[in-house]
Amino acid sequence: DADVTQTPRNRITKTGKRIMLECSQTKGHDRMYWYRQDPGLGLRLIYYSFDVKDINKGEISDGYSVSRQAQAKFSLSLESAIPNQTALYFCATSDWRTSGKDNEQFFGPGTRLTVL
Amino acid sequence: RKEVEQDPGPFNVPEGATVAFNCTYSNSASQSFFWYRQDCRKEPKLLMSVYSSGNEDGRFTAQLNRASQYISLLIRDSKLSDSATYLCVVNRGGNTPLVFGKGTRLSVIA
Repeated sequence: DADVTQTPRNRITKTGKRIMLECSQTKGHDRMYWYRQDPGLGLRLIYYSFDVKDINKGEISDGYSVSRQAQAKFSLSLESAIPNQTALYFCATSDWRTSGKDNEQFFGPGTRLTVL
Repeated sequence: RKEVEQDPGPFNVPEGATVAFNCTYSNSASQSFFWYRQDCRKEPKLLMSVYSSGNEDGRFTAQLNRASQYISLLIRDSKLSDSATYLCVVNRGGNTPLVFGKGTRLSVIA
């Protein structure tokens, strides 16, 4: 079983709809992240959370919100989807115990979102 | 200036070739450095960490030059399976997320 899972894996929706992308992890990590990836733009950080009570904006948080329901779950919402939010979305986790040096991030398989 | 900059490529090389990727970072306080590999439409995965003394893992060698704020990845004897995008990643330390470069795309051709 995958350590970091994302649902759905693919989603097509229409402009103005509310969408939620979900991420779950069994790694026991405290830190979780949401990124989007667009061709030519690389990975861009949307939001991150270092524990259940901690939520931080990344470089492109406008139009998105998140919820950290539990240590193992971190959801990303698009309140009113627009076409330029069409992208590949990745969730990732890391462990604070390695944050000082290694800080390896483990990514989920991604969600391909298309907004028409 | 972007915090982490890479040549986007693509690098198209024949099997067996040696290829090198470079990366520069702007924050001199950055603490640790990595190369991640991302296959097409897949998630990024850690390839190797980069240490000041340089480190080698099979056909892959990573080096760090702190004075020049420069990181490199050398791949020897390229295989078709090395075709991927290679992401340069910087850890600024403290409670900050990793910073990812946009990636360099490599295509190894038979």
